[in-house]
Amino acid sequence: AQSVTQPDIHITVSEGASLELRCNYSYGATPYLFWYVQSPGQGLQLLLKYFSGDTLVQGIKGFEAEFKRSQSSFNLRKPSVHWSDAAEYFCAVGVPNTGNQFYFGTGTSLTVIP
Amino acid sequence: NAGVTQTPKFQVLKTGQSMTLQCAQDMNHNSMYWYRQDPGMGLRLIYYSASEGTTDKGEVPNGYNVSRLNKREFSLRLESAAPSQTSVYFCASSERGTQPQHFGDGTRLSIL
Repeated sequence: AQSVTQPDIHITVSEGASLELRCNYSYGATPYLFWYVQSPGQGLQLLLKYFSGDTLVQGIKGFEAEFKRSQSSFNLRKPSVHWSDAAEYFCAVGVPNTGNQFYFGTGTSLTVIP
Repeated sequence: NAGVTQTPKFQVLKTGQSMTLQCAQDMNHNSMYWYRQDPGMGLRLIYYSASEGTTDKGEVPNGYNVSRLNKREFSLRLESAAPSQTSVYFCASSERGTQPQHFGDGTRLSIL
């Protein structure tokens, strides 16, 4: 069965520092991969997605993620974190050509220190 | 620019009561989804609708029913609420299947 693991429950970084959030997946083939962000009291917002092609994908708000097939990973990065980036981040995996086989990780909570 | 609208935002029920959570989207999307979010568990799919008139079970469908009333609306019904259904419920939509694109702000449901 497909699964998504976000090893870090909570991460704290200083404003201006770089950020990397980890995501590993388990799936037989190459799945569709996504990162979402959730601010307190709100729904999720799609940051970026990977379907195929270039393994480095750019998203909104200055985020990027890199798909590494050999490591079954899709880590999210940002060169310089802003205080407004404090939120919950979710990695997700979708099985191609299905609608109901889509799985979220348990999330990583990001705190940004001024 | 409403996007995905969920009502109500908050609700408290007693065990055994029934209620319907409403969701509407104004983006002419084909696919709609209902998720529940529980602490430490991420979001889990309850039901999914690829298009008007079709629905499919997700990961945790037990205790829920859905109706895709038209292209805009997708409702979630709890027939006999149980404390285990205390959660935050999110509706989402996308142009077509594969992944949810736009989320509502959620319905916070407590069952006593």
